[in-house]
Amino acid sequence: QVQLVQSGAEVKKPGASVKVSCKASGYTFTDYYMHWVRQAPGQGLEWMGRINPNSGGTNYAQKFQGRVTMTRDTSISTAYMELSRLRSDDTAVYYCARESGAARIFDYWGQGTLVTVSS
Amino acid sequence: DIQMTQSPSTLSASVGDRVTITCRASQSISSWLAWYQQKPGKAPKLLIYKASSLESGVPSRFSGSGSGTEFTLTISSLQPDDFASYYCQQYNSYWTFGQGTKVEIK
Repeated sequence: QVQLVQSGAEVKKPGASVKVSCKASGYTFTDYYMHWVRQAPGQGLEWMGRINPNSGGTNYAQKFQGRVTMTRDTSISTAYMELSRLRSDDTAVYYCARESGAARIFDYWGQGTLVTVSS
Repeated sequence: DIQMTQSPSTLSASVGDRVTITCRASQSISSWLAWYQQKPGKAPKLLIYKASSLESGVPSRFSGSGSGTEFTLTISSLQPDDFASYYCQQYNSYWTFGQGTKVEIK
């Protein structure tokens, strides 16, 4: 069965960077795009970008351009999202989500990783 | 960027009620719209894609309709498990979510 397992919660200081991982299993990792979505406390869902695990090509939401980097390691079927120059309003749960083939919707999600930015 | 606006933000309803949530796009997105359900502390779950296609395993009391800029999610008879937040998402041009609708117990 498809599973996306994310790394654990993080606490960071303003100005620091955070790197969240998402390990995929139950399918061929390189066959499906991986997206990252975040959710601030009590707020809605915000799309951050996606990576093509096969080529490494990325698309980022304009809001995060220059601050986000998405990478992958195909040898361990893991995608990464690194966000730099953290601010307090980056405090959120970060999710990875698999894009469902040609359908372009998100059919499987990770459990979420809470990133807290606090001095 | 395409903006998605959901209404209402909060909806109070009882078990057995028919519930309708509306989602409007700032420009035409054809039928490239999905609906997700999210419960507290959990990841979103896909319910409907391409505006009206039911994801496998999702109960038939959920249905979606619309095209262009106006879309609706309908729950024909609200069940206890349906009290949750619901989000629309456009995938015509990149991806954007609505701000969400919380369905509460009346």
